[in-house]
Order: sequence, then structure tokens, then C-alpha cells
Amino acid sequence: GESVGLHLPTLSVQEGDNSIINCAYSNSASDYFIWYKQESGKGPQFIIDIRSNMDKRQGQRVTVLLNKTVKHLSLQIAATQPGDSAVYFCAENLYNQGGKLIFGQGTELSVKP
Amino acid sequence: ETGVTQTPRHLVMGMTNKKSLKCEQHLGHNAMYWYKQSAKKPLELMFVYNFKEQTENNSVPSRFSPECPNSSHLFLHLHTLQPEDSALYLCASSQELRSGGRYNEQFFGPGTRLTVL
Repeated sequence: GESVGLHLPTLSVQEGDNSIINCAYSNSASDYFIWYKQESGKGPQFIIDIRSNMDKRQGQRVTVLLNKTVKHLSLQIAATQPGDSAVYFCAENLYNQGGKLIFGQGTELSVKP
Repeated sequence: ETGVTQTPRHLVMGMTNKKSLKCEQHLGHNAMYWYKQSAKKPLELMFVYNFKEQTENNSVPSRFSPECPNSSHLFLHLHTLQPEDSALYLCASSQELRSGGRYNEQFFGPGTRLTVL
């Protein structure tokens, strides 16, 4: 069925290291992907997005990579900081379902000082 | 601040109570959403409104009743809930419902933490 999932529910990294959070999706009709960050007690916040006609997109300290061949999405965070500790969700937009987003389970990132 | 506010932030209610959750967006968006977020589960889409018209009811029990009086406000009316309905209820908005691109970026409120006793 259609689903968006994450390979690991938790990820622990040392402060200053790079973090990589992965996401697998199953629908080849998805045309738009978003990464959200959710801190404790808050709603999800947009981090970065990518359209299906791109392989890579960079933001401030974050990079999203899209591999359509294997339906894989990743979020890379450079020089991870304690403030990056949160749950990270990927979401896909199915082209044939208008604006509806399908969210993955989430990966909890913990940054050790 | 995302431009989406939700009240109350916390709510405790009994199974026989009736309460309402409120969401307001100040972004000029035309699509609004209700999600349920339970521990260890993905976000579950409940309802979608586009230009005040409900476009999706994702098999939500009738004890949850949405209302969208205008594009800026969204309510979720609750009655005779069950303990398993305890969760974080998130409201979101986007420019509008259409295929592809940044139109579909959803902005979330902080959520209402609901506990049903």
C-alpha cells in the first residue's frame, strides 16, 4: 500500500557530528517531499522541501537528497547542535491526490554534548 | 510562531463532556487540516477543508465533528469521546489544495493535548 516510513525510530549523535535521517516512500507518483522538525510541546515545523524533478537541495546546515530509483529520501544535518534534538518527519505529496500529505513515523534525534 | 494558533493548549475531559478545539490561521491560506498525533504513530489526517468546503473525512468517528465557518477558522467539536482518543490534535493550513510544490507546504499550530478520562 501507499506508505512513507523511516528506517530508524531513534538516532543519537555527538554534538558537532553530521546527522543523516532516512525515509523510504512507496508511491512513484509522489511529486513533492517535505521534512518537518517537531520539538517537544510544539507542532511540526518546515525544514526543507524538494520536488521530484530534483535530486538534491541545500538549506542552511541541512541538505535533502532524493533518490527516485529506490524511492529514498534523506535529510543531512551538518554540525549537529543540541537545538537540533527533535523528532523529524518526512512527508510526501501524492500528485494524484491534490495537496494531501502522507507523513512517515518520525525519527527522534538526540544530540549528546 | 507559524501563524497558526490553537486553543486550548491542554484539555482534560470526561467521556460524557462536550468540548471544542479552535484553530485560527493568520496566513491568508485557504486549506485547513485536522490531524491526530498519538505516541509512536505517524500523523493521522482526520479532516481537510479547502475554501471552507470539506474535501476529506478520513473515516473519523462521528464523535468528532469539524466546522469551518471561514478560511481562517477551524473547529473540532468533541462529544462522548473514549480514552483512546487521548492524543495531540494538530491543526495545519496551506495555501490551497492543488497538486505539486509549495502550495502544499503545511504550517502547523502547536496542538491541543487532549486527555479523556
